[in-house]
Amino acid sequence: SAVISQKPSRDICQRGTSLTIQCQVDSQVTMMFWYRQQPGQSLTLIATANQGSEATYESGFVIDKFPISRPNLTFSTLTVSNMSPEDSSIYLCSAGTGQLYGYTFGSGTRLTVV
Amino acid sequence: AQKVTQAQTEISVVEKEDVTLDCVYETRDTTYYLFWYKQPPSGELVFLIRRNSFDEQNEISGRYSWNFQKSTSSFNFTITASQVVDSAVYFCALRSSGGGADGLTFGKGTHLIIQP
Repeated sequence: SAVISQKPSRDICQRGTSLTIQCQVDSQVTMMFWYRQQPGQSLTLIATANQGSEATYESGFVIDKFPISRPNLTFSTLTVSNMSPEDSSIYLCSAGTGQLYGYTFGSGTRLTVV
Repeated sequence: AQKVTQAQTEISVVEKEDVTLDCVYETRDTTYYLFWYKQPPSGELVFLIRRNSFDEQNEISGRYSWNFQKSTSSFNFTITASQVVDSAVYFCALRSSGGGADGLTFGKGTHLIIQP
């Protein structure tokens, strides 16, 4: 299965600023996803990162707040914009190919907004 | 809409006891995939198993076993002879191959505590 490198692993940011999280996969994958895990909670899908087109966002998540790029089949970024303390969460990238997607997650980015 | 329910918020057992984590799912699709993940305190998600809806065979991997029953829409996970290293949050997740989101729908997780 694919190996995912995600960075930064953690960051402390000031409210009102933006942070871009990078997700690099060691092989070409069909699908890439971004999830949010709020403190003590489960994982919630933010969006599907589509290669060559706009990301597909889940209900409750919008592009202005969480812009996503996917320039090729191995790389994606998630930006958390205009951050507030409520954005403090772990953000995880996931990738896979075909029916096998969902196997692999990045190690996550632990974001604290102060 | 699809849904995954893990009714057990937290389970605490003494080492070497057997423990079963429950997972009940809802989906209207006939083709779907079920997953279990382990999240230790370090935070990374560790893939444990994937099962598709056409394969109801139970699976055993060492001390881990999974019981998939379509009749009750359940995909339960049993750890035999638990060890302290099994302490973690365990998530059950569902992906349907039908329309809608392609991502995984996660249950709320079960926090498993194995006491020495």
